[in-house]
Amino acid sequence: EAQVTQNPRYLITVTGKKLTVTCSQNMNHEYMSWYRQDPGLGLRQIYYSMNVEVTDKGDVPEGYKVSRKEKRNFPLILESPSPNQTSLYFCASSLSAGPGANVLTFGAGSRLTVL
Amino acid sequence: GQQLNQSPQSMFIQEGEDVSMNCTSSSIFNTWLWYKQEPGEGPVLLIALYKAGELTSNGRLTAQFGITRKDSFLNISASIPSDVGIYFCAGPYGNKLVFGAGTILRVKS
Repeated sequence: EAQVTQNPRYLITVTGKKLTVTCSQNMNHEYMSWYRQDPGLGLRQIYYSMNVEVTDKGDVPEGYKVSRKEKRNFPLILESPSPNQTSLYFCASSLSAGPGANVLTFGAGSRLTVL
Repeated sequence: GQQLNQSPQSMFIQEGEDVSMNCTSSSIFNTWLWYKQEPGEGPVLLIALYKAGELTSNGRLTAQFGITRKDSFLNISASIPSDVGIYFCAGPYGNKLVFGAGTILRVKS
């Protein structure tokens, strides 16, 4: 089944403890992206990647890192999480950047709580 | 960054009623998208619009790409309980896809 898989789906952690949210897609998509969803703010883009080894900042990149060493994987790294990073995170992918990038396939989400 | 203004923020309607929501931008968009997010899931694409003035339907859903290219509308006819969810408009901004804040739809049966 074509899908975007995120792990973990739920995580409670403490301030400063490094964590990684993994994202993997099996559709051979070039474009991948991370969003966070907060009440009243919709989905805000954190980082995106147009292809392997190519990443760029979205609208809210502070406090996050990403890497794209392989086409299928796009992990989101929080080096030193803080409570304001408590949110619902979505990974998404698309066949290509440009007009095709608009049709994103989303993962099921990862709910992160930082105490 | 670029913002999309989506309204209303939420709606609580009776089953069978029609629903309208809209999205506006200060910039021109070449594509408008409408996504639906059900509880516990990621957003799923409902309708994509690629031309100004375009009117596209998907079952009971109809979306329009505004003539000015700065707005879009989504209508749901004869709502049913499974229409519950958050509806997002979205549009490409460079290599990014920006989203509105969403319209929360609740349906009373």
